[in-house]
Amino acid sequence: GAGVSQSPSNKVTEKGKDVELRCDPISGHTALYWYRQSLGQGLEFLIYFQGNSAPDKSGLPSDRFSAERTGGSVSTLTIQRTQQEDSAVYLCASSPRLAGNNEQFFGPGTRLTVL
Amino acid sequence: GDSVTQMEGPVTLSEEACLTINCTYTATGYPSLFWYVQYPGEGLQLLLKATKADDKGSNKGFEATYRKETTSFHLEKGSVQVSDSAVYFCALSRPGNNDMRFGAGTRLTVKP
Repeated sequence: GAGVSQSPSNKVTEKGKDVELRCDPISGHTALYWYRQSLGQGLEFLIYFQGNSAPDKSGLPSDRFSAERTGGSVSTLTIQRTQQEDSAVYLCASSPRLAGNNEQFFGPGTRLTVL
Repeated sequence: GDSVTQMEGPVTLSEEACLTINCTYTATGYPSLFWYVQYPGEGLQLLLKATKADDKGSNKGFEATYRKETTSFHLEKGSVQVSDSAVYFCALSRPGNNDMRFGAGTRLTVKP
């Protein structure tokens, strides 16, 4: 596609429910990143993928968070048993390769609201 | 660890005013430095970058110079427009690192 897409754009859920957030990176980009942007805060790095592998999961805030990537393309971020503090905008970005001085291309984000 | 500190907002300016958004960083080695912009309702997009000391990144009338001696990468524009209203993020990455560290963002509002 022309850019990184994310779905849904908005998600409202009840506390305790599970949610899945989807990211479609730019075709051919091998690196994929997830960030969280809380109100008034900067971007918090969650996890990155190189291909289908996620070598470093230490950025995930708790074991309720998990992510996977299949076929070197689409990625899903899953939050189990959501809590109110999970409310934020979840951003996905892709890059032709890992960071360094390479630009990351961001999707529009998914706004998650946990009631 | 690596970190980025940028000027707190919000910043409100009149059209054609001068803009400076301060950004300083802490990192070992020689990071690459970036400014990203997030227009209302849109995703972040790269505004400019600099990959080594004394480099100047520029785009859309914005400029930032990589100053290693002061560990800074301040964003400047001589004459802002209403369309520049957005949130601006300073960021860094290091070769071999797999994430990008962002500042908290500075919201700029330009009034006609």
